[in-house]
Amino acid sequence: DQQVKQNSPSLSVQEGRISILNCDYTNSMFDYFLWYKKYPAEGPTFLISISSIKDKNEDGRFTVFLNKSAKHLSLHIVPSQPGDSAVYFCAARTSGTYKYIFGTGTRLKVLA
Amino acid sequence: DGGITQSPKYLFRKEGQNVTLSCEQNLNHDAMYWYRQDPGQGLRLIYYSQIVNDFQKGDIAEGYSVSREKKESFPLTVTSAQKNPTAFYLCASSFGLAETQYFGPGTRLLVL
Repeated sequence: DQQVKQNSPSLSVQEGRISILNCDYTNSMFDYFLWYKKYPAEGPTFLISISSIKDKNEDGRFTVFLNKSAKHLSLHIVPSQPGDSAVYFCAARTSGTYKYIFGTGTRLKVLA
Repeated sequence: DGGITQSPKYLFRKEGQNVTLSCEQNLNHDAMYWYRQDPGQGLRLIYYSQIVNDFQKGDIAEGYSVSREKKESFPLTVTSAQKNPTAFYLCASSFGLAETQYFGPGTRLLVL
């Protein structure tokens, strides 16, 4: 049973436009969420996190939104750049646990 | 330059052979993890270690073994009991369990 789902396996966006990557979860006990970016044949790189006490967290071009009632989070990248082309994973955990549950990833392609 | 290193980048295993993947970190992190990534799937936890000389099984530990004799090092052995070892293996570390995890570049294991 996939507790963290990224239903779009791929997404293409024009350079300079907004990229929106989505992540849905089923476990209402999840209270901390991360986004990672991964280039081919490399390890994931931490991008941004959000705690369930917030509904938004911003870091430069990256903003994560959390909708707890819908069990949904999204990563917005504005403006999108060709170097943002990568696979993006969301991950979630419950308070006091060690284990992050990862989604299956969304491949973003930013077109120049 | 702090970080996590994994070696080798590619590894080939023959039938019935044990192979060991290296993971070293100089971030002074207490916790270390091993994940496996298969195409179209999220990362799955193999083993984790909260502290030196302690480690615990993750979700898919069968056919794998680890050791944690030094804080900086967490090698993973893929034994002959692992019937489907072909995958991309990622090592990660964090200051403590449930803290943000930082990943190494990964090792791709292929079976001859």
